[in-house]
Amino acid sequence: GAGVSQSPSNKVTEKGKDVELRCDPISGHTALYWYRQSLGQGLEFLIYFQGNSAPDKSGLPSDRFSAERTGGSVSTLTIQRTQQEDSAVYLCASSPGQGETEQFFGPGTRLTVL
Amino acid sequence: QQQVKQSPQSLIVQKGGISIINCAYENTAFDYFPWYQQFPGKGPALLIAIRPDVSEKKEGRFTISFNKSAKQFSLHIMDSQPGDSATYFCAARGTTSYGKLTFGQGTILTVHP
Repeated sequence: GAGVSQSPSNKVTEKGKDVELRCDPISGHTALYWYRQSLGQGLEFLIYFQGNSAPDKSGLPSDRFSAERTGGSVSTLTIQRTQQEDSAVYLCASSPGQGETEQFFGPGTRLTVL
Repeated sequence: QQQVKQSPQSLIVQKGGISIINCAYENTAFDYFPWYQQFPGKGPALLIAIRPDVSEKKEGRFTISFNKSAKQFSLHIMDSQPGDSATYFCAARGTTSYGKLTFGQGTILTVHP
């Protein structure tokens, strides 16, 4: 079956511009996560959605970052007024539900801020 | 605050050898410890995982050893193969944060033929 998909695969933008990154989770998965992977670093948790519950935004690094999940499926991560330090690979993952342990990751979006 | 520390950063092993990657954690509320494998250009994929009520879990050539008192766990890859060359991440999940995985910094494993 189809896995988690993300688009675009690569995004190059200029400092100060806004960007939107998209994630399509596995069909039927109610939990969705965003992580950031900087060069040579581990994955950094950003935000978590579970069903209709309020998202866990505790990992968002600044108020320039926001995310939404429409209809319990597709999610969009928005970064406003991008900075060079935002350059990273942004990974999305989904899992069947709260408490389910395995997270299935997409291939990521590589963001480069010039 | 880095809650999961992973070592080494890189590891070179000959084919057939044993690869060992170590992780240490600080938060005693962690209750689930997975290892993820990531190939270039791909997202991480779950390799093997353990809960703190057991000290060891083996799946094929991959074994997790867990030491609750020392707050350490490790991945052992037996009979390492060139196809095992990848980046490996340990992670941990807290009992009160169903969604959030805290990852180690990763280990780049290279297995020479």
